[in-house]
Amino acid sequence: DGGITQSPKYLFRKEGQNVTLSCEQNLNHDAMYWYRQDPGQGLRLIYYSQIVNDFQKGDIAEGYSVSREKKESFPLTVTSAQKNPTAFYLCASSIDFNSGEGYTFGSGTRLTVV
Amino acid sequence: QKEVEQNSGPLSVPEGAIASLNCTYSDRGSQSFFWYRQYSGKSPELIMFIYSNGDKEDGRFTAQLNKASQYVSLLIRDSQPSDSATYLCAVNFFGSGGSNYKLTFGKGTLLTVNP
Repeated sequence: DGGITQSPKYLFRKEGQNVTLSCEQNLNHDAMYWYRQDPGQGLRLIYYSQIVNDFQKGDIAEGYSVSREKKESFPLTVTSAQKNPTAFYLCASSIDFNSGEGYTFGSGTRLTVV
Repeated sequence: QKEVEQNSGPLSVPEGAIASLNCTYSDRGSQSFFWYRQYSGKSPELIMFIYSNGDKEDGRFTAQLNKASQYVSLLIRDSQPSDSATYLCAVNFFGSGGSNYKLTFGKGTLLTVNP
């Protein structure tokens, strides 16, 4: 079955540590996205990628980095510069950036700073 | 700044009633509108989309779009306890040059259906 796989499901980060969240899709979608969800805040866009080897900052990119070396993969690194990283992170994809169609989401990664 | 507004709720309805969820958006040029359902601790799942003015029905769900009023709603008929979730409205704003822009999400409305 086609879908989006995020791993790990739960992740604990120590202060000052970088961590990488994995996102893999087998839907043959060109566009991929990373969102952060905090209670009462809704979904906020971190980064998005329209196509391989291209990505753009979203609304809250500070303290995060991404890469898009393969169509299937869009990993997110939460760096030590992100001061409040505890949140639910959601990866999504769409057929292409200009399709106007909805996004398919992965199951999410819950990150906690310890 | 493109905005999507929803009443955060909670909206509480008895089982079997009609639940009405509302959403307004700021950009008159928006073209695509989506409703996602998100159960607690889970990721959003797409349940309805609408592109044209009027109503679109899918089973117990009806999406209603009024572009002149910049208003989109979701009706859930014969509400069931399993419908209890947060419902997110999302709007695709058109960027410059006529190309689609990224989806912008509202903060969601929490719906509780009481047995």
